[in-house]
Amino acid sequence: GNSVTQMEGPVTLSEEAFLTINCTYTATGYPSLFWYVQYPGEGLQLLLKATKADDKGSNKGFEATYRKETTSFHLEKGSVQVSDSAVYFCALPYSGGGADGLTFGKGTHLIIQP
Amino acid sequence: DAGVIQSPRHEVTEMGQEVTLRCKPISGHNSLFWYRQTMMRGLELLIYFNNNVPIDDSGMPEDRFSAKMPNASFSTLKIQPSEPRDSAVYFCASSLEGQGDTEAFFGQGTRLTVV
Repeated sequence: GNSVTQMEGPVTLSEEAFLTINCTYTATGYPSLFWYVQYPGEGLQLLLKATKADDKGSNKGFEATYRKETTSFHLEKGSVQVSDSAVYFCALPYSGGGADGLTFGKGTHLIIQP
Repeated sequence: DAGVIQSPRHEVTEMGQEVTLRCKPISGHNSLFWYRQTMMRGLELLIYFNNNVPIDDSGMPEDRFSAKMPNASFSTLKIQPSEPRDSAVYFCASSLEGQGDTEAFFGQGTRLTVV
């Protein structure tokens, strides 16, 4: 099945710093790619997604570009805020069908200091 | 819509006891997933249902774990007997079956502590 590897945290940054969280994947074909975010005490929620190569997903100032040549989907934000402190998960379908659930990276804990 | 609803939010039980976790998916969704989250192993898919039918339970760790979905609006995950290593946060998620680009909606999770 498909798999994903993301950088481990915690990542600690100051407010307004530039953020990159690396994610690489191994997959059959070209599945959709996702970033989910988990705020303290809550479940995961979709942050952004990209459904095909070279697509850029974006939401709340975050962006990620589907790079098939490097099998990567790195998450970026130009200026982080304290409210961005959370755990971020890169994900893709377990297999090509997509209806069988997502496989997630281990998660990257992001801490933004004022 | 209220989203995916899980109960209880927290459960503390003694080793050997039976534990039942409950989930109500979003109305109209036809896929339901149970995940377990621990610090050591991250998020693991335990089992998923499609149209109330269990499709793949290969992620269920042992025979002590079982899951049911008697109808489209309710699912349970049962652990019997429970052990301390089962302590984790258990998430239920639901989605509309798609072509691999479908968003999964997560509940707030049940934090299980087995002492």
